[in-house]
Amino acid sequence: DSGVTQTPKHLITATGQRVTLRCSPRSGDLSVYWYQQSLDQGLQFLIQYYNGEERAKGNILERFSAQQFPDLHSELNLSSLELGDSALYFCASSVSDKDYEQYFGPGTRLTVT
Amino acid sequence: SQKIEQNSEALNIQEGKTATLTCNYTNYSPAYLQWYRQDPGRGPVFLLLIRENEKEKRKERLKVTFDTTLKQSLFHITASQPADSATYLCALARSNYQLIWGAGTKLIIKP
Repeated sequence: DSGVTQTPKHLITATGQRVTLRCSPRSGDLSVYWYQQSLDQGLQFLIQYYNGEERAKGNILERFSAQQFPDLHSELNLSSLELGDSALYFCASSVSDKDYEQYFGPGTRLTVT
Repeated sequence: SQKIEQNSEALNIQEGKTATLTCNYTNYSPAYLQWYRQDPGRGPVFLLLIRENEKEKRKERLKVTFDTTLKQSLFHITASQPADSATYLCALARSNYQLIWGAGTKLIIKP
């Protein structure tokens, strides 16, 4: 158990819909990262937050957005969903914004039908 | 552009032997490199971090080397066990400390 929690574990929704994925980092970690992993694909970095502020952006679509709240939990919002958005979405946390070892949550499996 | 390459083909190793996985990179001078293990449907788990000024790092049966001249890292598992079967990911830290991830190599340890 990494100490990072993600909810929900599974999500099935229809195209065009909007969903919110939630992540709680390990106690004491200030950085949260979001990743997308499609079937048999590598990890694609989406976005990083550090202590409530956006720190880095990766391959995140304009239809996706995220935020980190004062209690350090984070949410990833995916809108106008397409079939290709079906993937595992991982949240990771680390102590600082310097990308030391990251601790990953169990992931949310999103299926868009 | 920056690129990280890991063997895309699965690596099959007999139990008890040493498994060696490769991570090559181009157009890049990483501050450090990390190796993670990922089991199917689960999040990656951090294994080892090696810095640019370190040649080798060990942890139990794991050993990582980092050759900045060859732009390559090797990840070794000695006395391999079927439980070591998983996908292993390497990730490089850019100068701004963001990680760039390889696609991973699937390791299969046969009893």
